[in-house]
Amino acid sequence: ETGVTQTPRHLVMGMTNKKSLKCEQHLGHNAMYWYKQSAKKPLELMFVYSLEERVENNSVPSRFSPECPNSSHLFLHLHTLQPEDSALYLCASSPWVTTYEQYFGPGTRLTVT
Amino acid sequence: SQELEQSPQSLIVQEGKNLTINCTSSKTLYGLYWYKQKYGEGLIFLMMLQKGGEEKSHEKITAKLDEKKQQSSLHITASQPSHAGIYLCGADIKDDKIIFGKGTRLHILP
Repeated sequence: ETGVTQTPRHLVMGMTNKKSLKCEQHLGHNAMYWYKQSAKKPLELMFVYSLEERVENNSVPSRFSPECPNSSHLFLHLHTLQPEDSALYLCASSPWVTTYEQYFGPGTRLTVT
Repeated sequence: SQELEQSPQSLIVQEGKNLTINCTSSKTLYGLYWYKQKYGEGLIFLMMLQKGGEEKSHEKITAKLDEKKQQSSLHITASQPSHAGIYLCGADIKDDKIIFGKGTRLHILP
């Protein structure tokens, strides 16, 4: 059973809406990640947080805004998205900022209309 | 730019048969990870390989990293319906970045 939860599981939003994705990990980890998985494309790393500090931002458009208020919670704030932003957004955590044994949440299926 | 090539893209196997999925890089890998994803859900970490020639097993799944550390294979013995899903390889590359393949969709026929 995964220790990483994500809400909502499904989200449909218009291009002018503002919404947020939430991720919570119950594993006592210090690093958290946002990934985007689009159909027929490799998984893309979006943001990395270590001890609530952002350590990596892989050239993600500013319409995606992450927030990490503490080591257990991670948010992805969305505004003025485009239809091509429709994808599965996965959150993950790991003990420290390392790619070893990342634990993934179930993802949020986002559809932008 | 470095990429991970996974093959095959899709695989349909009769229950009970063995199968192999490959993950190939054009450059040396510093760590290779195998994940499993059920359709539309999160990833489950399976195994990590770091040393050339390393082999690890978990239940009926075995993964190897070749000596040159440029290719890994995932082998499932006596496949079961529970093995169905998307298998994804991920890798550490030199500048602490992580890259992923496009995944292999595995279907198991009863």
